[in-house]
Amino acid sequence: DQQVKQNSPSLSVQEGRISILNCDYTNSMFDYFLWYKKYPAEGPTFLISISSIKDKNEDGRFTVFLNKSAKHLSLHIVPSQPGDSAVYFCAGTTDSWGKLQFGAGTQVVVTP
Amino acid sequence: EAGVTQFPSHSVIEKGQTVTLRCDPISGHDNLYWYRRVMGKEIKFLLHFVKESKQDESGMPNNRFLAERTGGTYSTLKVQPAELEDSGVYFCASSQVEVGTYNEQFFGPGTRLTVL
Repeated sequence: DQQVKQNSPSLSVQEGRISILNCDYTNSMFDYFLWYKKYPAEGPTFLISISSIKDKNEDGRFTVFLNKSAKHLSLHIVPSQPGDSAVYFCAGTTDSWGKLQFGAGTQVVVTP
Repeated sequence: EAGVTQFPSHSVIEKGQTVTLRCDPISGHDNLYWYRRVMGKEIKFLLHFVKESKQDESGMPNNRFLAERTGGTYSTLKVQPAELEDSGVYFCASSQVEVGTYNEQFFGPGTRLTVL
């Protein structure tokens, strides 16, 4: 039962442009949503989170939008940089310190 | 401050053998989690310790997997006997406990397990 889905396995974007990553979920009990970034041979690193009571959270070049009625969230990266090339995982959790339910990830490639 | 460390980084074993993975969380983190990523798919939760107690082990696939957290510090995950479908990357993560805010989970680099 996969509760978090990332339907785009890959995304290619030009340096300087906007990257938009999408994520859908089915569990309406999720309290927090997170985005993690993963480089090859490394563990995922936390990027940004959003509480279920908010609809937007911004941190530098990264903005996460949450649409609860559509059970959809997205991550915007502006402007995209070569160092942003990585796999991005969307995740949800039903409490602030419980298990994370991850999507399958989206491979982002930022080209010069 | 040292991050989450995992040992070994790679393990190749034959079907039917036993393997033990180790995780050392960030010092002072009471929460410790094990996850697994198989064949490039989603990262799946296995279990969650709070100090030495198992808080949630709903993701453990079967009784061939045994996790322990001695004294609430490091944790081990033993697979006995290993099967082909156990191959994957096993991640450990740790976090503090703070009420009212998301508690970021810090991940280790993972152990890549290959069962032949």
